[in-house]
Amino acid sequence: EVQLVESGGGLVQPGGSLRLSCAASGFIFTNYGMNWVRQAPGKGLEWVSYISINSGTIYYADSVKGRFTISRDNAKNSLYLQMNSLRAEDTAIYYCVRGIPSMDVWGKGTTVTVSS
Amino acid sequence: EIVLTQSPGTLSLSPGERATLSCRASQSVSSSYLAWYQQKPGQAPRLLIYGASSRATGIPDRFSGSGSGTDFTLTISRLEPEDFAVYYCQQYDGSALLTFGPGTKVDIK
Repeated sequence: EVQLVESGGGLVQPGGSLRLSCAASGFIFTNYGMNWVRQAPGKGLEWVSYISINSGTIYYADSVKGRFTISRDNAKNSLYLQMNSLRAEDTAIYYCVRGIPSMDVWGKGTTVTVSS
Repeated sequence: EIVLTQSPGTLSLSPGERATLSCRASQSVSSSYLAWYQQKPGQAPRLLIYGASSRATGIPDRFSGSGSGTDFTLTISRLEPEDFAVYYCQQYDGSALLTFGPGTKVDIK
């Protein structure tokens, strides 16, 4: 079964850091670019970041550029998102998502809450 | 940055009726790079349509996509009870940005 499972979410104070992980299974991880997409409570979807197969191409949304870092470990079939200088507006469900230009496999998400 | 606008914001229909959802882009989008997603409460989004008109794996043929340039449409030919959800369009600009529209909620009349 094709699956993406996120972990690492939680409650963090403003200005703090958090590292999200995504474990991929059921498909050849090295064949796909990967994304993080987030959804604030009661809001729509916001694409956050993309990383290509070999990590040679990386994109960020302007809202997270300079604060978030996407990475992957193909040997471990894993995707990561290092989030620094977190703000209240980063509070959201963070989804690990396969593919570009369309995103065909989504994880269930991990919740990040930034609050004092 | 390409901005996507979806209309209407909410569509109230009855089961069996036809739903027509619009997605308009602030500048031309390659048809290859336009997709539609369905999201139900408490669930992750699901890919419905990619390349503006191709159905994703397992998507029923009552869902269809069309359009080009700046105007795209998702049509649900006959609404089933499980189709009441929020629908998002999404584009990739071919260089560095992906964006979603704000969504259209299809609810039961």
